[in-house]
Amino acid sequence: EPEVTQTPSHQVTQMGQEVILRCVPISNHLYFYWYRQILGQKVEFLVSFYNNEISEKSEIFDDQFSVERPDGSNFTLKIRSTKLEDSAMYFCASIRDRGASGNGYTFGSGTRLTVV
Amino acid sequence: AQSVTQLGSHVSVSEGALVLLRCNYSSSVPPYLFWYVQYPNQGLQLLLKYTTGATLVKGINGFEAEFKKSETSFHLTKPSAHMSDAAEYFCAVSRRGNTDKLIFGTGTRLQVFP
Repeated sequence: EPEVTQTPSHQVTQMGQEVILRCVPISNHLYFYWYRQILGQKVEFLVSFYNNEISEKSEIFDDQFSVERPDGSNFTLKIRSTKLEDSAMYFCASIRDRGASGNGYTFGSGTRLTVV
Repeated sequence: AQSVTQLGSHVSVSEGALVLLRCNYSSSVPPYLFWYVQYPNQGLQLLLKYTTGATLVKGINGFEAEFKKSETSFHLTKPSAHMSDAAEYFCAVSRRGNTDKLIFGTGTRLQVFP
């Protein structure tokens, strides 16, 4: 079964450093998402991306965050200057097309970001 | 705006007992409804979903959920708990027929005792 692949599985970074989290969505999917889950809390929406632009973003997704699809396969989340409160599990998700949302979103296994 | 409420952040059951995890939603129109399971240190796995048609939906691992429009609920059940069911369970909604984001509940941690 097709998978969404996220790398790395765990990243430790110093406060103030830039990090890039990488995702490879399922190849024929067109809509991409980032979510985050702070330890012990619920999963929160960050941003959605379609046709090489942001479709929607939450209030969490401030100027420190950016997303990019640099080539035909990767979908990245960049945090420009990490803060301690950015420590969380970050999930990438994708769906095929506008009619596919009822099939459920396919999530990657996540990247655990620890900011020290 | 849509929202999801999961009653009970922790549920404990004995092995073999009925599992009932509660989920209520708020939406101006019936949304798509999902249950996701998260095992320790793993990602989110789709357990089951409701989009249209039969209101009782069956998922993986013997779980099922019933959509009750009048109660705006989508409770998750399993007749007989197994030790391997211990995990975090998230109810989620999205707007019908749209590629809109998922809105998650706060999650319910299920513990199963022998």
